[in-house]
Amino acid sequence: KAGVTQTPRYLIKTRGQQVTLSCSPISGHRSVSWYQQTPGQGLQFLFEYFSETQRNKGNFPGRFSGRQFSNSRSEMNVSTLELGDSALYLCASSLAPGGVYNEQFFGPGTRLTVL
Amino acid sequence: GDSVTQMEGPVTLSEEAFLTINCTYTATGYPSLFWYVQYPGEGLQLLLKATKADDKGSNKGFEATYRKETTSFHLEKGSVQVSDSAVYFCALRGLSGNQFYFGTGTSLTVIP
Repeated sequence: KAGVTQTPRYLIKTRGQQVTLSCSPISGHRSVSWYQQTPGQGLQFLFEYFSETQRNKGNFPGRFSGRQFSNSRSEMNVSTLELGDSALYLCASSLAPGGVYNEQFFGPGTRLTVL
Repeated sequence: GDSVTQMEGPVTLSEEAFLTINCTYTATGYPSLFWYVQYPGEGLQLLLKATKADDKGSNKGFEATYRKETTSFHLEKGSVQVSDSAVYFCALRGLSGNQFYFGTGTSLTVIP
């Protein structure tokens, strides 16, 4: 079974631009979560989608948004990029949200560099 | 709110040494606890988990026991190998949803 895939793997943008990252979950998984990983802040939760609906949102500004499609694929968008948005963005999928035994599987991440 | 505090790194050990990485948590109720490992250039992989107090998670020689009384989930391995060099993250998932809370990660380097 294929794992979680994220595209692109690497991105370089300049301040003020916007960017869209894509995540394809494991087949059959309907829940997708996004995380931002930086050396200073570690892993921080961005948001979670299930059945095309945002179920949970972390403490990030409105410049960060996401969506999920009917095939469970998800995209996240960052508008008006700032230098501090440089990070590894990780996507994780699971069968469904919540549940004691529900495991999240992570993709390799998209490395975003903002110049 | 829920949070995880993890031992600062980096940690450097010789091959076959004993490893302990401390992790404590703050949460209401009984969260699920996890250890993830991240190898260079890769995403996070689940190493082990425990879902209730006194559970012991184990995998690839690593172990961690869910201690409710000390709110801890320390990772241990009796004899580390060079291939264990990676960053280790302690995490919890609260009862209210699917959101994970991660520690800051501990970088481990094992030298031959």
